[in-house]
Amino acid sequence: NAGVMQNPRHLVRRRGQEARLRCSPMKGHSHVYWYRQLPEEGLKFMVYLQKENIIDESGMPKERFSAEFPKEGPSILRIQQVVRGDSAAYFCASSPAARVGRNEQFFGPGTRLTVL
Amino acid sequence: KQEVTQIPAALSVPEGENLVLNCSFTDSAIYNLQWFRQDPGKGLTSLLLIQSSQREQTSGRLNASLDKSSGRSTLYIAASQPGDSATYLCAVRGAGANNLFFGTGTRLTVIP
Repeated sequence: NAGVMQNPRHLVRRRGQEARLRCSPMKGHSHVYWYRQLPEEGLKFMVYLQKENIIDESGMPKERFSAEFPKEGPSILRIQQVVRGDSAAYFCASSPAARVGRNEQFFGPGTRLTVL
Repeated sequence: KQEVTQIPAALSVPEGENLVLNCSFTDSAIYNLQWFRQDPGKGLTSLLLIQSSQREQTSGRLNASLDKSSGRSTLYIAASQPGDSATYLCAVRGAGANNLFFGTGTRLTVIP
């Protein structure tokens, strides 16, 4: 059973470009969470999605950031018009549907975004 | 709002020592608490998950305890090895919350 997969592992963008980060949850998991780790800071929650639904986006900046988890394919975190402050490690986690509130979250290796 | 604190921020010990990492959280209404390991430039590896109804969990040389009423957890590492060198993160899932709240971690260095 493959773990949570994220790609790319490293992404370099110039200011103003778009960044697309992909996350494939573990097999059998239908819940996806995105977290951001800024340099020298702890991980902060961004958004929680189920298939075709955004359940909680309370941690996501209101502008330039969006997330989706389509019926088919990976979850996508999209950052438009990137700025230097978006440079961070973005982690995706997944959990199975049953007993949602109590389930363990399994993390991917992260995507390290560098904005020049 | 849940806040998670980890002390110390960094710790160096000689190989073979037993050590304790501390985690405290402000809101005791939690579903569970997870301890993770993060190696430099890498992702998170889940070490132990303690449900709110449990007091401790053990895996190999690791033992994690949970005192929900006082808002504390400890991670005990026995007979430390250089390969244990990493940052250890504590995270809690609040009751009714969808996400984990993370501490800023303890950076452990085990000296051969």
